Amino acid sequence: DAGVTQTPRHEVAEKGQTIILKCEPVSGHNDLFWYRQTKIQGLELLSYFRSKSLMEDGGAFKDRFKAEMLNSSFSTLKIQPTEPKDSAVYLCASSFGDGNQAPLFGEGTRLSVL
Amino acid sequence: GDSVTQTEGLVTLTKGLPVMLNCTYQTTYSPFLFWYVQHLNEAPKLLLKSSTDNKRTEHQGFYATLHKSSSSFHLQKSSVQLSDSALYFCALSDTNAYKVIFGKGTHLHVLP
Repeated sequence: DAGVTQTPRHEVAEKGQTIILKCEPVSGHNDLFWYRQTKIQGLELLSYFRSKSLMEDGGAFKDRFKAEMLNSSFSTLKIQPTEPKDSAVYLCASSFGDGNQAPLFGEGTRLSVL
Repeated sequence: GDSVTQTEGLVTLTKGLPVMLNCTYQTTYSPFLFWYVQHLNEAPKLLLKSSTDNKRTEHQGFYATLHKSSSSFHLQKSSVQLSDSALYFCALSDTNAYKVIFGKGTHLHVLP
């Protein structure tokens, strides 16, 4: 079964660079989520799309983080400019969006900012 | 707004013992509750889900009961195994927004 695909799996960036993370949701899923995972903060919601419309953009992450969903099968998360504190695992998840369906996660992108 | 609380950051116990991981939530709408398990360097995977009050749900030896009266959805297992060592997340969705928010997670460490 095709799951959620995230690329790249690992990314190393220098402070101040722009990086773009990619996500392909499960075909037919209407909801797409971007999360950041760190040991201290746990899973933090960055962005939430429903049928390609941005429903939530994660408040505190607005200034340097921008998620887009140009079509139903592809989403990007841009971080510009990167800072060392952005080092984390970025997880993308998708679901049918009827509340009772738990999101299915991709394997994540591990970002290291030097 | 909605919130999920997991009170234990780390639970350590010996193989064969029972375990309960706490999860309480807050929402003003009808809730959907989930438990996810994440093994090291893997993606979180769904373990259990429920939206039915007072009904026990089970999977892979784990079980949980949603209690709306106490806003709880604790995860239990009667006899933990070494392979159960992982990070466990409780998550909440509701009939208003459907976005899913997660608790901080509980590390379960099972000793031989």
